[in-house]
Parts: sequence; structure tokens; C-alpha cells
Amino acid sequence: KAGVTQTPRYLIKTRGQQVTLSCSPISGHRSVSWYQQTPGQGLQFLFEYFSETQRNKGNFPGRFSGRQFSNSRSEMNVSTLELGDSALYLCASRAGWEASPLHFGNGTRLTVT
Amino acid sequence: AQKITQTQPGMFVQEKEAVTLDCTYDTSDQSYGLFWYKQPSSGEMIFLIYQGSYDEQNATEGRYSLNFQKARKSANLVISASQLGDSAMYFCAMREAQNNNDMRFGAGTRLTVKP
Repeated sequence: KAGVTQTPRYLIKTRGQQVTLSCSPISGHRSVSWYQQTPGQGLQFLFEYFSETQRNKGNFPGRFSGRQFSNSRSEMNVSTLELGDSALYLCASRAGWEASPLHFGNGTRLTVT
Repeated sequence: AQKITQTQPGMFVQEKEAVTLDCTYDTSDQSYGLFWYKQPSSGEMIFLIYQGSYDEQNATEGRYSLNFQKARKSANLVISASQLGDSAMYFCAMREAQNNNDMRFGAGTRLTVKP
């Protein structure tokens, strides 16, 4: 089974631009979560989607948004980029049962200049 | 809100020795799951081991075991016979049944295995 795939791996943007990151979950997984990882704040939960619906959202400004498609693929968008948005963005998918772990992709490293 | 605490920012261990990475958590939920992940320098997050709050036995997975002390709300990861490839960041995480959609992570512990 193919793992979680995130594209692109690296991205460089300038302040004020917007960016879209993509995530393809493991086949059969309907839940997709997004995390932001920075050296200072660690792993922070952004949001989680299940069957095209956002089920939970972390404490991030409205500039961070996401969506999920009918094939469970997910995208997250960050508008009006700020320097502080530079981070590793991790996507993870999981099966539906309670004990199922998150399976992570390799991440997208976003640098905002 | 759930909270996961990893008090050891960095740990060193000699190759072939065992090491314990600490994790304490705070929850009012009776049903929850605890997870440990490894993140090598390459960046991918690798799932290691799971412990359910109602599991009576400590979880084990190869060289990884989880020392689960429910009353103390601790879920320490034990790595036996450390290998150089075990050098990585290790994260403890929890997901509550009442909030099944959301897994929160501790700050992590950087483990360095010395030859």
C-alpha cells in the first residue's frame, strides 16, 4: 500500500503570497489531519477532515484553510503569507477506528522570505 | 484541554543500552489512546507503539515497550538495546475518545545514541 504523499516537498514563497499544499492519504483512509511543525512551537494541530467535512480545527488564524475532496485527497491553503509561517507542514491520514495511529507523509517544507 | 509533557529535551544513551523517555499527560477523559512517534533527521514521522487507556498489559513492539502507569498519568517509552539508528526526535501523543478527531503531541525528546 502506498503511504501518505505530500506535494511539493519544498516551497519558497514571499510575504503576502498564498500557497496550496496537497496531500494524498493512504488508500481507504478517510481522515486527513494537518500539522505545522516549527522549532519553537513544535507540532501544532491545524485541522482534520473526514469525508469532506472539517471535524476539528486548531488555534490558527483564518488565513489557514483546508478542504478535502471526494477521493479523500486534501489540500491546505495559507493566504497572505507571513515570515512566521515558515515551517514543515505535515499531513497524516488514519483509519476510522479509535486506536488507529496517524500515518504521516514526508511533509512540505515552506520557507517564506 | 489535553496536555502532553515531555520533560527531557535531550537524552544520551550508549549503544546497546536501554533508555527510558518520559511522557506525562493530563486528561479528564476515561478513554484515551497514547502513541509514540519517532522523527529522524529526514523529517518523516514514524509510528512506534500504541497504548489504550483500558489496556491492562503494557504495550510492546519489538525493542519498544511502553511503561504505562495510569494512576500517575505517565506513558514512558522504553527502548531496549539501543542502536545508532535510534538517534532521532521522539514524540508522545494522545487522543481522547471524546475528541476522537484530534491527536496532540508533546514537545519531543531528542535521543542521541553514542557508539
